[in-house]
Amino acid sequence: EMQLVESGGGLIQPGGSLRLSCVASGFTVSNRNMTWVRQAPGKGLELVSIIYSGGTTYYADSVKGRFTFSRDDSKNTLYLQMNSLRAEDTAVYYCARMSRLRAYFEYWGQGTLVTVSS
Amino acid sequence: SYVLTQPPSVSVAPGKTARITCEGNNIGTKSVHWYQQEPGQAPVLVICHDCDRPSGIPERFSGSSSGNTATLTISRVEAGDEADYYCQVWDSSSDRVVFGGGTKLAVL
Repeated sequence: EMQLVESGGGLIQPGGSLRLSCVASGFTVSNRNMTWVRQAPGKGLELVSIIYSGGTTYYADSVKGRFTFSRDDSKNTLYLQMNSLRAEDTAVYYCARMSRLRAYFEYWGQGTLVTVSS
Repeated sequence: SYVLTQPPSVSVAPGKTARITCEGNNIGTKSVHWYQQEPGQAPVLVICHDCDRPSGIPERFSGSSSGNTATLTISRVEAGDEADYYCQVWDSSSDRVVFGGGTKLAVL
């Protein structure tokens, strides 16, 4: 059974750093394009980052230079390193698997909440 | 940048048909996908363009698009269909994923 489980969220002060993890089971993350999608409280969905199966990455302009998406193939785990956090980064962060074709989000984790506040 | 516009809310009586629209420039030429998000839950894919129906999604859910409008149609609406619905495309011109702002479906 396909499963994505995020962890690592919490309360952090502005300017701080946090690392989110996403453990995958039922498939191999290195064979698929994987993503982080976030949702600010009461708001819509926003694609934050993609790591392609080949290892290259994409970042939304809003996080470029501050966030780093990586993976550990031996652990079948994804990471989102978030630095220089701002209040506007407050959101639920979802790990999601992207389809091979047509670029849709096939499977989602349950999400982890990041709150940036002093 | 490419913009998808959804109505903030749609209301429908149980047993009736709900139609949720998603407007974008020439959206009929793009692959449009739809997600359902119940309160406090992660989004779930309900309709993907040109792909097999996602597992567990009833045939009451269908999608269509033409011109500048895509539509998610939910037939024989049930109380359990009450949720937020998001449309999504890949905009090839900007090489970006774009989400609509979401529509809250209320079952009266």
